[in-house]
Amino acid sequence: QVQLQESGPGLVKPSQTLSLTCTVSGGSISSGGYYWSWIRQHPGKGLEWIGYIYYSGSTYYNPSLKSRVTISVDTSKNQFSLKLSSVTAADTAVYYCARVFLMYDFWSGYYYPNWFDPWGQGTLVTVSS
Amino acid sequence: SYELTQPPSVSVSPGQTARITCSADALPKQYAYWYQQKPGQAPVLVIYKDSERPSGIPERFSGSSSGTTVTLTISGVQAEDEADYYCQSADSSGTSVVFGGGTKLTVL
Repeated sequence: QVQLQESGPGLVKPSQTLSLTCTVSGGSISSGGYYWSWIRQHPGKGLEWIGYIYYSGSTYYNPSLKSRVTISVDTSKNQFSLKLSSVTAADTAVYYCARVFLMYDFWSGYYYPNWFDPWGQGTLVTVSS
Repeated sequence: SYELTQPPSVSVSPGQTARITCSADALPKQYAYWYQQKPGQAPVLVIYKDSERPSGIPERFSGSSSGTTVTLTISGVQAEDEADYYCQSADSSGTSVVFGGGTKLTVL
């Protein structure tokens, strides 16, 4: 079955860019049919959706983070990545990647996100000098 | 911004029924999904499309929808069900994903 694994630095300095990669195994990102998403969870808090990407490169971001977020995909490596710029201590969180089931709407031509399954194990990123 | 509202906590004794609600204006038009998260673990999908149960999820987990509220019901709660539960949906446009604040289920 599909499995996801996050990787990247666990410590990032304030004002720098946080970079994480999610490697997908057991399935191909380029086969389509799913979005690929990043979600984060501040310590002791709830889940916050960051954004998602389709294998074609189409993206959609949380409006509250949009100005600082870039999600990209590398189908040759079966990976997708997150970059979050100008980080502060408020960006300290566990970052998860997940596959998103989607539904195609014929009239709008848009693929709507549905549920997230499976999730990666998550990786803690601490922003500190 | 669009929000899903969940109670912060629910407590039940073993064998009883736990009901966790999630409310928002767009829920009549958007599906809701439920996740279980145990300490130190990633969330796991337990209900999709309001009331569908993924394979491998015990039958005691069920979901329902009524108007602007969706409900996760756990019948015959077991100690292993103690966890945080999150609802998830989308805003009225359908493109922006949102999670509820989470409900901590305590099994007394």
